[in-house]
Amino acid sequence: GAGVSQSPRYKVAKRGQDVALRCDPISGHVSLFWYQQALGQGPEFLTYFQNEAQLDKSGLPSDRFFAERPEGSVSTLKIQRTQQEDSAVYLCASRSSGVQETQYFGPGTRLLVL
Amino acid sequence: QQQVKQSPQSLIVQKGGISIINCAYENTAFDYFPWYQQFPGKGPALLIAIRPDVSEKKEGRFTISFNKSAKQFSLHIMDSQPGDSATYFCAASGDTNAGKSTFGDGTTLTVKP
Repeated sequence: GAGVSQSPRYKVAKRGQDVALRCDPISGHVSLFWYQQALGQGPEFLTYFQNEAQLDKSGLPSDRFFAERPEGSVSTLKIQRTQQEDSAVYLCASRSSGVQETQYFGPGTRLLVL
Repeated sequence: QQQVKQSPQSLIVQKGGISIINCAYENTAFDYFPWYQQFPGKGPALLIAIRPDVSEKKEGRFTISFNKSAKQFSLHIMDSQPGDSATYFCAASGDTNAGKSTFGDGTTLTVKP
């Protein structure tokens, strides 16, 4: 079946612009995670949804970052007034249910802020 | 405070050799330790994972060794192949935090033919 998909795959933004990154999880997956991966580093947790509820947003680096999953399926990560330090790959992962299940990652969106 | 430390940063191995990557963690609440493989332009993909109730898990050419008392775990790739050339990440998570993963910084493995 289809895996996790993300769009766009690449995004170039001018500093100060708002961006929206989309994640389509595997159908039926309850849990959804967003991670930020800087160049040469491991992914870092941003936020977690269980269905439509955002249960953990402790990793969001500032109030410019906002995520939603209104119908418990597709999720959008929005970054307002982008800064150069926001340049990274943003990864989405989904998981069926239960913390012991596998997280499946999408290919990521590479964001470059100029 | 980096909760998962991974070494080495890069590794070069000859085809057929053994690749060994090490990780150490600090949070004793972690109880799930996966290894991910990532190719350029792709997201991480689960390779193999272990829970602390066992000291070793083997799947094909990939083995995880786990030392609970030392809070360390390692990935061994036997008979390394050029197709194994990728970046490998260890991670850790716990039931108490919904399974969100804390990752190491990655090891870039190059297997020379």
